[in-house]
Amino acid sequence: AQSVTQLDSQVPVFEEAPVELRCNYSSSVSVYLFWYVQYPNQGLQLLLKYLSGSTLVKGINGFEAEFNKSQTSFHLRKPSVHISDTAEYFCAVSDTGGFKTIFGAGTRLFVKA
Amino acid sequence: DSGVTQTPKHLITATGQRVTLRCSPRSGDLSVYWYQQSLDQGLQFLIQYYNGEERAKGNILERFSAQQFPDLHSELNLSSLELGDSALYFCASSPTGGLGTDTQYFGPGTRLTVL
Repeated sequence: AQSVTQLDSQVPVFEEAPVELRCNYSSSVSVYLFWYVQYPNQGLQLLLKYLSGSTLVKGINGFEAEFNKSQTSFHLRKPSVHISDTAEYFCAVSDTGGFKTIFGAGTRLFVKA
Repeated sequence: DSGVTQTPKHLITATGQRVTLRCSPRSGDLSVYWYQQSLDQGLQFLIQYYNGEERAKGNILERFSAQQFPDLHSELNLSSLELGDSALYFCASSPTGGLGTDTQYFGPGTRLTVL
């Protein structure tokens, strides 16, 4: 069975600073990895996903993530954040051949002026 | 706007009651997923349907049931409601049966309050 750990429940950061949201997963088989974002009072939407190929994945709104198989990590990064990036971010994993997607507990990113 | 619609937006009811939440997937999507989001448990996968058939089951209580109809809309039925069932319930849809690769498109959610 897979599991996902998001290492930080909250990350405060100043506007225009870089940010990294950390995600580690556990699985005995190959996985697909996702980052979703939830803005206040909205549903989740996909930021990016890793299925195969290049380990550096670029997503929407200037976000990117790197798949590191040896460290079982899929950290999300953005070089310069905006106030509008304030939201909750969820890392998720599904195993190849499976149907369930398991979500992490979420990291609340709070961007300060 | 993801194209997934959920009704109602808010629902307030009493313990012991039964409610039905409705979801219409994006046009052309065959899979529907249900999730429960609460402060203490986070986002929990409940159940997935693909083209009318149950495909995967998560942490869904026996008091809860779901179905997907021929027109692909789905309903989540919650019965014998308890205070702890108060949560945001999300529906998501995806184009295919998944096999783990699909992007899920989430609706805006139904906020259930059990008093």
